[in-house]
Amino acid sequence: QVQLQESGPGLVKPSETLSLTCTVSGASISTYYWSWIRQPAGKGLEWIGRIYTRGSTTYNPSLRSRTTLSIDTSNNQFSLKLSSLTAADTAVYYCARSPRSSWIDYWGQGTLVTVSS
Amino acid sequence: NFMLTQPHSVSESPGKTVTISCTRSSGSIASYFVQWYQQRPGSSPATVIYEHNQRPSGVPDRFSGSIDSSSNSASLTISGLETEDEADYYCQSYDGGNWVFGGGTKLTVL
Repeated sequence: QVQLQESGPGLVKPSETLSLTCTVSGASISTYYWSWIRQPAGKGLEWIGRIYTRGSTTYNPSLRSRTTLSIDTSNNQFSLKLSSLTAADTAVYYCARSPRSSWIDYWGQGTLVTVSS
Repeated sequence: NFMLTQPHSVSESPGKTVTISCTRSSGSIASYFVQWYQQRPGSSPATVIYEHNQRPSGVPDRFSGSIDSSSNSASLTISGLETEDEADYYCQSYDGGNWVFGGGTKLTVL
């Protein structure tokens, strides 16, 4: 059974960098595409970016300048770094798996990140 | 970049059929696969339709997807509505590798 689990700080200060990790179990991270999506409270989904096992990345153009995705095959994890945080970055952050680059088949449970001083 | 526009909300009675639309602002709807995700309150999204009209294993055949090139839109149809279908539904597509989600439609089954 494939499971994805996000981990990271629940509270981050403005202007700082958010670091989140997604740990994958039940599947090898060396195949598939891996994505981050976020959702502010009461609002819709926003795609952040996607990484493939060979390290190729695709980012949302509106977040590209602040986003870095990486993959750790030895620990079966992938990570998100989002810099220069503001209150607008407060959201539930989901990690997800894609069997092809077009759609998601597994989602993590999500982790709430609040940006506040 | 393009946008995907969905109705803010729809409602229907149990046992009936409802259709949720998703209109693409630019680029051909037929050229880029459309997916549909269901999100119940307090839960992560779950895929109900992928690649226009494919159902993942475990999704009942009451859920179906289609596209209409004349209106450049996709549709999610749910037949035999059940109270458990009450949720937010999001369409998603892409262009040049970049993903875009629709704003979501709240389905009320009353």
